[in-house]
Amino acid sequence: QKEVEQDPGPLSVPEGAIVSLNCTYSNSAFQYFMWYRQYSRKGPELLMYTYSSGNKEDGRFTAQVDKSSKYISLFIRDSQPSDSATYLCAMRWTTDSWGKFQFGAGTQVVVTP
Amino acid sequence: DGGITQSPKYLFRKEGQNVTLSCEQNLNHDAMYWYRQDPGQGLRLIYYSQIVNDFQKGDIAEGYSVSREKKESFPLTVTSAQKNPTAFYLCASSISGGWDQPQHFGDGTRLSIL
Repeated sequence: QKEVEQDPGPLSVPEGAIVSLNCTYSNSAFQYFMWYRQYSRKGPELLMYTYSSGNKEDGRFTAQVDKSSKYISLFIRDSQPSDSATYLCAMRWTTDSWGKFQFGAGTQVVVTP
Repeated sequence: DGGITQSPKYLFRKEGQNVTLSCEQNLNHDAMYWYRQDPGQGLRLIYYSQIVNDFQKGDIAEGYSVSREKKESFPLTVTSAQKNPTAFYLCASSISGGWDQPQHFGDGTRLSIL
């Protein structure tokens, strides 16, 4: 079983809809959660990061963490065709000063005009 | 503009050949990382370095080597011992190696076998 599970998609939504993405994880030591956006043939771009359970908002993006259920989500409001990309979740544990990252495999999102 | 520059964008390796992928950052970050990305898999850590002249193996270091002689540079050599090198290679950096520091990525090098 992978430590981080993410549905590969593709997830197709019409322009203006809310995109809902999620990742589940098995290691309760994960304490730091990130979402990256990756366009084709490009490197991942950091969108949001959070330490705590609950919601964190940044413009059209909302990151949600539920540590009790080992579940994180990313919501994109008012989606645009430029949001079409692969979204990677990442998490890190903090049992020592060096925290190793664990990445999900990514969900491909297609926003159609 | 500050960032991470990877070169070349595309690289082809012949049988038995070693190839070196370049990674340079001007963000003044202490920590640097190399990942391999394969379709349907999450990024897998090859090597990481928290300070100059020090680096550690990641999960899939076999067949790879690195050096960290300068803070801004972290080249990766894919040796002939790596039998399945075709992949997208990503270099990343963070302010420090601390657990609360996000990583920032370059735009990758795609390596293929001739």
